[in-house]
Amino acid sequence: AQSVAQPEDQVNVAEGNPLTVKCTYSVSGNPYLFWYVQYPNRGLQFLLKYITGDNLVKGSYGFEAEFNKSQTSFHLKKPSALVSDSALYFCAVRGIQAGTALIFGKGTTLSVSS
Amino acid sequence: GAVVSQHPSWVICKSGTSVKIECRSLDFQATTMFWYRQFPKQSLMLMATSNEGSKATYEQGVEKDKFLINHASLTLSTLTVTSAHPEDSSFYICSARSSDRGGNTEAFFGQGTRLTVV
Repeated sequence: AQSVAQPEDQVNVAEGNPLTVKCTYSVSGNPYLFWYVQYPNRGLQFLLKYITGDNLVKGSYGFEAEFNKSQTSFHLKKPSALVSDSALYFCAVRGIQAGTALIFGKGTTLSVSS
Repeated sequence: GAVVSQHPSWVICKSGTSVKIECRSLDFQATTMFWYRQFPKQSLMLMATSNEGSKATYEQGVEKDKFLINHASLTLSTLTVTSAHPEDSSFYICSARSSDRGGNTEAFFGQGTRLTVV
């Protein structure tokens, strides 16, 4: 069975500092990994994905994530946080078959203080 | 990116009535759509996978007779919460992935529907 773990309920950083939101996964075979962001009472916005290729994936709004197969991790990073980055972040995984759904982690609330 | 429109954004209904939520892919065709439910400050829980022209596949523990899903076209899936009760109050989100771009594309999400049953 596929699963995703986000070990932190909340991450607090000061504006301008680097941020990391952690994600580990468990899946049989090669994973498709995703990060989404959710603002209050809104749907999810796609940030980035890892399918294959370079382990470092760059996405929207300056975010990037590094796929680490040996550690089964896919941590989300940004070199310099903005207050507007404050939101709920979800890591997700799915199998390679086209019709399979995303399985989400529990989410991590990112709070960036000015 | 592709656009998924979900309607209504919020709805309040009386206990015992039914509510229909629509999910449309506006600029792409989606053979498969997904319905999720989200409780406050919690993750998205997959309810069902909706396949165009066939019956939906429900996750374990989801009542198929209560949450009716219809996927009549490649751009529209509907979720009907029948005989709603206060415990059905939640945030419902649909998702769709383009069927003509292969299996490695990201899913796009509707803006969600806040259902409150009183």
